[in-house]
Amino acid sequence: AQSVAQPEDQVNVAEGNPLTVKCTYSVSGNPYLFWYVQYPNRGLQFLLKYITGDNLVKGSYGFEAEFNKSQTSFHLKKPSALVSDSALYFCALSRTGDYKLSFGAGTTVTVRA
Amino acid sequence: GAGVSQSPSNKVTEKGKDVELRCDPISGHTALYWYRQSLGQGLEFLIYFQGNSAPDKSGLPSDRFSAERTGGSVSTLTIQRTQQEDSAVYLCASSLAGTTGYGYEQYFGPGTRLTVT
Repeated sequence: AQSVAQPEDQVNVAEGNPLTVKCTYSVSGNPYLFWYVQYPNRGLQFLLKYITGDNLVKGSYGFEAEFNKSQTSFHLKKPSALVSDSALYFCALSRTGDYKLSFGAGTTVTVRA
Repeated sequence: GAGVSQSPSNKVTEKGKDVELRCDPISGHTALYWYRQSLGQGLEFLIYFQGNSAPDKSGLPSDRFSAERTGGSVSTLTIQRTQQEDSAVYLCASSLAGTTGYGYEQYFGPGTRLTVT
């Protein structure tokens, strides 16, 4: 069995401040980890992924994420948040032998001006 | 290039009717997925296609749900005898897929919002 947890339903930050969205996972075998963002009434947009290699992954729109195997975490970060980053963020997981994604419950990010 | 498209964008149907939801994947993507997004259940996997075959149907919630894919491209998700609990946003995604590799990112369509009255 595999699962993804996003422990925070909501994250609120001021524009210009660092943004962190937390994700932990549970899987047998090597994980493949993804972050997606969803704007209102839109589908999910791919931000970044970790497959193997460097633990720090850089993605779209200035986002990055750090894979931590010992803590089974894959937190999403952005050094300086923008109001336009306000959206719903999903962490997702798959593994070798399984193409489908298992998603966390999502974290709503609100960046105030 | 063109992304994943889905139609209709919205569908309102009466309980007991059948509905068909369509997905056009990104050209060249051999893998296609259907997911369902609802307030109570979050994002749930329904079915996965590799070409025209569906090696993983494990997420289909009941035998009222079926899907097919033709020509390695367009897919249709059919829900028979719709129930109110079927109300959700149905998302389609596509990706590259190899026989030896995993971890390809999936690209999602805008979804079909299904409301069963």
